[in-house]
Amino acid sequence: GAGVSQTPSNKVTEKGKYVELRCDPISGHTALYWYRQSLGQGPEFLIYFQGTGAADDSGLPNDRFFAVRPEGSVSTLKIQRTERGDSAVYLCASGRGGADTQYFGPGTRLTVL
Amino acid sequence: GDSVTQMEGPVTLSEEAFLTINCTYTATGYPSLFWYVQYPGEGLQLLLKATKADDKGSNKGFEATYRKETTSFHLEKGSVQVSDSAVYFCALTTRDTGANSKLTFGKGITLSVRP
Repeated sequence: GAGVSQTPSNKVTEKGKYVELRCDPISGHTALYWYRQSLGQGPEFLIYFQGTGAADDSGLPNDRFFAVRPEGSVSTLKIQRTERGDSAVYLCASGRGGADTQYFGPGTRLTVL
Repeated sequence: GDSVTQMEGPVTLSEEAFLTINCTYTATGYPSLFWYVQYPGEGLQLLLKATKADDKGSNKGFEATYRKETTSFHLEKGSVQVSDSAVYFCALTTRDTGANSKLTFGKGITLSVRP
């Protein structure tokens, strides 16, 4: 079956611009996670959705970052006034929640010039 | 907070060599432990996991045992192949509230296996 998909695969933007990154989870998965992976580092947790609600947004670095999941399926990570330090690979993962395995998408590589 | 420490890399081995990749952790609760692998050009995928002390996770010839007394989850394989070349991440989750199983990852280590 289809796995987690993320679009775009690459995004290049200029400092100060707004970007949206999309995640399509595996059908039926209620849990959705966003992570950020900087060069040479492991992924770092950003936000967790259970259904439509953001149950844990403790990993968002500041208020320029926001994510939604209005219908409990597709999620969009939104970054306002991008900075060069936001450059990273943004990963999405979905699962059935609890101790269930998280399945990762291929990621979106964001480059802020 | 929770953290995962992996040995420094990269690691280069000859085919059929024995592999050990060290991983230790600190956690506030009782964690589940994971190894994820990222093959060149592909996304992260689960390699194996263990959910309680003394459990052994295994997959594709890889093994790791959950050692609570040493807070470790070292990855081993008896005979590596060229196709094992990838980046390996150790990770943990402590389900704090509800169903949230956010993962905490180590930095990852790059393994290169030469023919």
